[in-house]
Amino acid sequence: SQQGEEDPQALSIQEGENATMNCSYKTSINNLQWYRQNSGRGLVHLILIRSNEREKHSGRLRVTLDTSKKSSSLLITASRAADTASYFCATVYFGNEKLTFGTGTRLTIIP
Amino acid sequence: DAGVIQSPRHEVTEMGQEVTLRCKPISGHDYLFWYRQTMMRGLELLIYFNNNVPIDDSGMPEDRFSAKMPNASFSTLKIQPSEPRDSAVYFCASTLNGWQGGSPLHFGNGTRLTVT
Repeated sequence: SQQGEEDPQALSIQEGENATMNCSYKTSINNLQWYRQNSGRGLVHLILIRSNEREKHSGRLRVTLDTSKKSSSLLITASRAADTASYFCATVYFGNEKLTFGTGTRLTIIP
Repeated sequence: DAGVIQSPRHEVTEMGQEVTLRCKPISGHDYLFWYRQTMMRGLELLIYFNNNVPIDDSGMPEDRFSAKMPNASFSTLKIQPSEPRDSAVYFCASTLNGWQGGSPLHFGNGTRLTVT
């Protein structure tokens, strides 16, 4: 399977702390995207990073990409209760144009 | 912008019955996707359309599944006959320029299907 793997599968932190989630993938990618899914809802796009980029920021989100290690990380700073959700990485592989989703990290922010 | 609209939100049916799920993509988006989400298999791409034409249906699990997009503003996913293992949340998503272009997918809130 070319599915990305998120790590950890579940993460619980105190409100205000930073949350870091990792994604590993298997072959060369065109781009990598992060999505959030609240319980009972559809996925919401957070940020996209292209294969020639190393870091991107969006508000409290910071995404890094290490193509040599075939991995990406999503950092959420100063977490809030509303950040409680599942987070998925999704990759577009060269030679396979489909957007393939990882297994997700379930993040719980404890008030 | 109303976003991607799916109906129904919940569907409970008995094994053997026909099920039809509906989707209205965001106006102007020319790609439409159907995904299925289960705890065991995660998010799986079933089929996608570009300009109303099915491009790749290799993810459709069996001949019991079919999808149509008769026009740019409507798509259906049909399961006939349904089986308990089809129980899942089915998502429709649309985007403007496809995956390689990096356009984000916009998801509907899904249809939770339960087949008893």
